Amino acid sequence: EAGVAQSPRYKIIEKRQSVAFWCNPISGHATLYWYQQILGQGPKLLIQFQNNGVVDDSQLPKDRFSAERLKGVDSTLKIQPAKLEDSAVYLCASSKGLAGDSFPGELFFGEGSRLTVL
Amino acid sequence: AQSVTQPDIHITVSEGASLELRCNYSYGATPYLFWYVQSPGQGLQLLLKYFSGDTLVQGIKGFEAEFKRSQSSFNLRKPSVHWSDAAEYFCAVGGNNDMRFGAGTRLTVKP
Repeated sequence: EAGVAQSPRYKIIEKRQSVAFWCNPISGHATLYWYQQILGQGPKLLIQFQNNGVVDDSQLPKDRFSAERLKGVDSTLKIQPAKLEDSAVYLCASSKGLAGDSFPGELFFGEGSRLTVL
Repeated sequence: AQSVTQPDIHITVSEGASLELRCNYSYGATPYLFWYVQSPGQGLQLLLKYFSGDTLVQGIKGFEAEFKRSQSSFNLRKPSVHWSDAAEYFCAVGGNNDMRFGAGTRLTVKP
């Protein structure tokens, strides 16, 4: 079974530039998450999709970050314009679990996309 | 709101020694608790999880964790550490739409 795929693995940009990250979840997983992991910190949830709908985007800085999962499969996270403090690893995860399930499903993580903003 | 505290930023143990990583949580309802491991440059991998029932749960790679409701803790243990266990360990609490992670504990293993 293929895991969660993310690209690019590394990206270096100047501040105020834009960047996009792509994620392809495990086949059949309805729920997709984007996490931001700043160096020395735990992952912080940015946005959660269930199929092609947004479940939670309360911690997404919507003035500069956007994400979509148009067909309920792969997803793109965009940052425009980037700030220095956006330097982080952006982790995508997927799960079979649904928001209404009695027990949460296991999250499967990709290897992450490391962003450096200069 | 739920939160997770991992009091130890960095722990160093000798190979073969026992290990305990601490995790304290705050959660309004019955917590679902997890431990994940992250090797350098890799994504997170689930070690074990607690949903209900037996408070001592077994995971992969010889790890176990004990849920103590009275102490709001879910500490991770391993009787004998191997050099390959050197990594970052994250405790997490939550469900399908509110998973929250601790800041992590970095484990160094001395030869």
